[in-house]
Amino acid sequence: DAKTTQPNSMESNEEEPVHLPCNHSTISGTDYIHWYRQLPSQGPEYVIHGLTSNVNNRMASLAIAEDRKSSTLILHRATLRDAAVYYCILSVPTDSWGKLQFGAGTQVVVTP
Amino acid sequence: DTEVTQTPKHLVMGMTNKKSLKCEQHMGHRAMYWYKQKAKKPPELMFVYSYEKLSINESVPSRFSPECPNSSLLNLHLHALQPEDSALYLCASSPPSRAYGYTFGSGTRLTVV
Repeated sequence: DAKTTQPNSMESNEEEPVHLPCNHSTISGTDYIHWYRQLPSQGPEYVIHGLTSNVNNRMASLAIAEDRKSSTLILHRATLRDAAVYYCILSVPTDSWGKLQFGAGTQVVVTP
Repeated sequence: DTEVTQTPKHLVMGMTNKKSLKCEQHMGHRAMYWYKQKAKKPPELMFVYSYEKLSINESVPSRFSPECPNSSLLNLHLHALQPEDSALYLCASSPPSRAYGYTFGSGTRLTVV
């Protein structure tokens, strides 16, 4: 199964942008790139996902490299509530839909 | 309703007990999942149900027994667990397409004594 590689941790100042990198060099053509975040004592929360094109939503932006071997999650203005573990995950196809297999994730620390 | 509801939130059970975890969603999602998460580790996939049928079992020991009685409900039956099975058990659901994200519940914190 395709795997992802992320930095263990990143620190950001409040109201600054945060760029979270993810490498997935073994990605297949049909694998979706998902990002989830998890706050302490909570379940993972969907952030964004994409296949080939860059994606934007109210929470974040996802920039996907042209060769799809890497991607970057962009939080435009970090707040203290954005402090969480961020997981970059490949959705591996099984039958009709995918199977999410989590990597180690990046701990994001936001300082005031 | 855009939530996945898991009950109970906390559970303490002995190694000879039988207990069940419950997961419910009313979003019409036809895929449902059980994950296990140990402290400071990422979630690990256990089971996948699609259209109420078990489609993936990630080599989970038989002391964990999943059940999907209908399209809104997913259970995880527990029997003869070990202390190392103590973890956060997460349920998730998704539409039957990889073009959509998953919705996770907040989990059941299980302690086996």
